[in-house]
Amino acid sequence: ETGVTQSPTHLIKTRGQQVTLRCSSQSGHNTVSWYQQALGQGPQFIFQYYREEENGRGNFPPRFSGLQFPNYSSELNVNALELDDSALYLCASSLQGSGNQPQHFGDGTRLSIL
Amino acid sequence: QKEVEQNSGPLSVPEGAIASLNCTYSDRGSQSFFWYRQYSGKSPELIMSIYSNGDKEDGRFTAQLNKASQYVSLLIRDSQPSDSATYLCAAPSSNTGKLIFGQGTTLQVKP
Repeated sequence: ETGVTQSPTHLIKTRGQQVTLRCSSQSGHNTVSWYQQALGQGPQFIFQYYREEENGRGNFPPRFSGLQFPNYSSELNVNALELDDSALYLCASSLQGSGNQPQHFGDGTRLSIL
Repeated sequence: QKEVEQNSGPLSVPEGAIASLNCTYSDRGSQSFFWYRQYSGKSPELIMSIYSNGDKEDGRFTAQLNKASQYVSLLIRDSQPSDSATYLCAAPSSNTGKLIFGQGTTLQVKP
């Protein structure tokens, strides 16, 4: 069974740039959720994709966007990067779109904004 | 009031002791609860899920759920230095389905 994989592992960008992070879900999982984790904090929900549709969104501005592909892999795009966007970005996959299903995380992408 | 609350710690216990980690939640509609372990610099790893009131045991771990008190706990028996990590409690919002995490409790197990 293949687990959740994310790329890249680390990324350094400057303010105003755009970034795309990628995630492949665990085999058999059709739901992908994205989280932002600042140092010393719990993960904060950005949005979830279920069957290629956005299925819930947290308190993040529209410059955070995403999509899901037919093979259930997903991308997170962030435009006009700000210093506060520096964080660990986590992707988690699960069965179905319900929050009652356990979510399994990838290793994350550490994004640093200079 | 935060939706899922944990004491940030650190909680320090000697090797071999029982570590008790606590979590409260505000959404009475939440039906499932999860404990994740996160080592420094790593991603969260699911260690326990609990859906019903009472205790659920898995090896050295026991999760306890009390829906009337809106309280979830994780007990780690025979704590080992390798258990030193941050433990995250999570519950889905009954309205949106999104998973809400507490800020995590840092556990230090001293040899």
